[in-house]
Amino acid sequence: DVKVTQSSRYLVKRTGEKVFLECVQDMDHENMFWYRQDPGLGLRLIYFSYDVKMKEKGDIPEGYSVSREKKERFSLILESASTNQTSMYLCASTMDTEAFFGQGTRLTVV
Amino acid sequence: GENVEQHPSTLSVQEGDSAVIKCTYSDSASNYFPWYKQELGKGPQLIIDIRSNVGEKKDQRIAVTLNKTAKHFSLHITETQPEDSAVYFCAASIRNYGQNFVFGPGTRLSVLP
Repeated sequence: DVKVTQSSRYLVKRTGEKVFLECVQDMDHENMFWYRQDPGLGLRLIYFSYDVKMKEKGDIPEGYSVSREKKERFSLILESASTNQTSMYLCASTMDTEAFFGQGTRLTVV
Repeated sequence: GENVEQHPSTLSVQEGDSAVIKCTYSDSASNYFPWYKQELGKGPQLIIDIRSNVGEKKDQRIAVTLNKTAKHFSLHITETQPEDSAVYFCAASIRNYGQNFVFGPGTRLSVLP
């Protein structure tokens, strides 16, 4: 079974903190994605990567950055967390068509 | 860019009834349309997909139809069961172009016993 693992299920951080969300996949997929999920807005793409050290902005990249130093790991970074970044964050990977999602990280910024 | 709309946002049906969720897309270049189911506390999981060269696809109680001319596609669930209760997302993408999915806002389906 393909596995996409996100490092934390729940996180509580303070405003202004630097936050790292980690995602690891075990199927040698080339493509990895970070989405943000908010009620009524569905899944919105933050950043994606087609290869190691490559990154592309999605629809809502402001306030976020990413890192992909190894093929299996894709990190989302909140440089200075703000309350409007309180949300569910989902990581996904894909090789061809099907996207495999992690279980999500619910981040609360206080 | 692509825009995907999804209706209804919530849907309640009696167990055994059918459920239909509809999506529209804007980019005629999109050629791959997956449906994902998200159960409570879990990430979305693919349940069925359809490519633009196919009009309908079935998998047991689940079917998806696609109308390329009208740019809409629908998910049909027959003989609904309580375990079908979840949030369902449609998506559109251009296959073989990096799989950059655009998702609809989701439909919360409740199957009442």
